[in-house]
Amino acid sequence: KAGVTQTPRYLIKTRGQQVTLSCSPISGHRSVSWYQQTPGQGLQFLFEYFSETQRNKGNFPGRFSGRQFSNSRSEMNVSTLELGDSALYLCASSPDRTGGDEKLFFGSGTQLSVL
Amino acid sequence: DAKTTQPPSMDCAEGRAANLPCNHSTISGNEYVYWYRQIHSQGPQYIIHGLKNNETNEMASLIITEDRKSSTLILPHATLRDTAVYYCIASHYNQGGKLIFGQGTELSVKP
Repeated sequence: KAGVTQTPRYLIKTRGQQVTLSCSPISGHRSVSWYQQTPGQGLQFLFEYFSETQRNKGNFPGRFSGRQFSNSRSEMNVSTLELGDSALYLCASSPDRTGGDEKLFFGSGTQLSVL
Repeated sequence: DAKTTQPPSMDCAEGRAANLPCNHSTISGNEYVYWYRQIHSQGPQYIIHGLKNNETNEMASLIITEDRKSSTLILPHATLRDTAVYYCIASHYNQGGKLIFGQGTELSVKP
């Protein structure tokens, strides 16, 4: 089974631009979560989507948004980029079986650099 | 979710058991203990989780104290490939993909 796929692997943008990152979950997984990882703040939860609906949200400004498609693939968008948005963005998927415990399966991430 | 405390770094000799401690003294009765690890430049990898019983899988063993205030992850025969940051997380069941990661323990396995 293929793992979680994130594209692109690396991205360089300038301040003020916007960016869209893509995540393809493991086949059959219905939940997709996004995390930001920086050296200073560590791994922080951004949001989670299930059945095309945002189900959970972390403490990030509205510039960070996401969506999920009917095939469970997900995208996250960051508008008006700031230097502090430079980070590794990680996507994770899980089966979300009702009554089952949830293990997250992470992709390798997209390394975003904002200049 | 309960806060967890881990030592920032540990060393282990290759082939020996690595015992990684985690303190979660404020854990509630329905919070699970999860362990993940992150090898440099990769996404975190699930290792094991448990509620109150000790657990074992092909990667590791998880020992949870009877009062559930602390736990230990055991890698029985550490290899160089086990060098990584290990995260201990206390989380309610079915949090919808939301895990609160701390700073973790950086484990260095040395030959």
